[in-house]
Amino acid sequence: QVQLKESGPGLVQPSQTLSLTCTVSGFSLTSYDVHWVRQPPGKGLEWMGGIWGDGSTAYNSALKSRLSISRDTSKSQVFLKMNSLQTEDTAIYFCTRSVITTTGLFDYWGQGVMVTVSS
Amino acid sequence: DIQMTQSPASLSASLGETVTIECLASEDIYSNLAWYQQKPGKSPQLLIYYANSLNDGVPSRFSGSGSGTQYSLKINSLQSEDVSIYFCQQNYDSPPTFGGGTKLELK
Repeated sequence: QVQLKESGPGLVQPSQTLSLTCTVSGFSLTSYDVHWVRQPPGKGLEWMGGIWGDGSTAYNSALKSRLSISRDTSKSQVFLKMNSLQTEDTAIYFCTRSVITTTGLFDYWGQGVMVTVSS
Repeated sequence: DIQMTQSPASLSASLGETVTIECLASEDIYSNLAWYQQKPGKSPQLLIYYANSLNDGVPSRFSGSGSGTQYSLKINSLQSEDVSIYFCQQNYDSPPTFGGGTKLELK
């Protein structure tokens, strides 16, 4: 069955770089897009960016200068790297699969990983 | 970016009641509207797509409607397991954007 699972550090110091991995199973990264969505504690959902089946990427313009999304299809993994972290980047980070290739319609989600930015 | 405005922000209802949540887009999104349910401590789950299509496994008491800029999610005969936060999301244009959420509680 389709599964996505995020992994990464729970605590990151301000100004440092966040590195997260999304490991997927049950589908191919060359056939589906995978996106990252985050949710600050008690708040709403923010689309961060995604990587398409053909390997192209798109980013939220508010994060574009700090964010990079890549993948390793042989390992079925998608990576998120975001630099210059601040306290407002504290959030649950989800990876999610999209069933449409134009924007994003998210049918499966990972459990999420809580990232706290603090010294 | 297309702005999505949900109302109400919170809602309290009794078991068996019918509830409606509204979502307003800042421009016409041509029914490219999805609804997600997020139970406490869990990830969002897709309920409805293209405004009125029920995702596999979603109970028939959930329904969606609307067109243009105005959409709604209706839950008939509210059950205890429906206590959640509900989000709308447009997938008409990039970036995909979400509403602020509606927190549904039991009265």
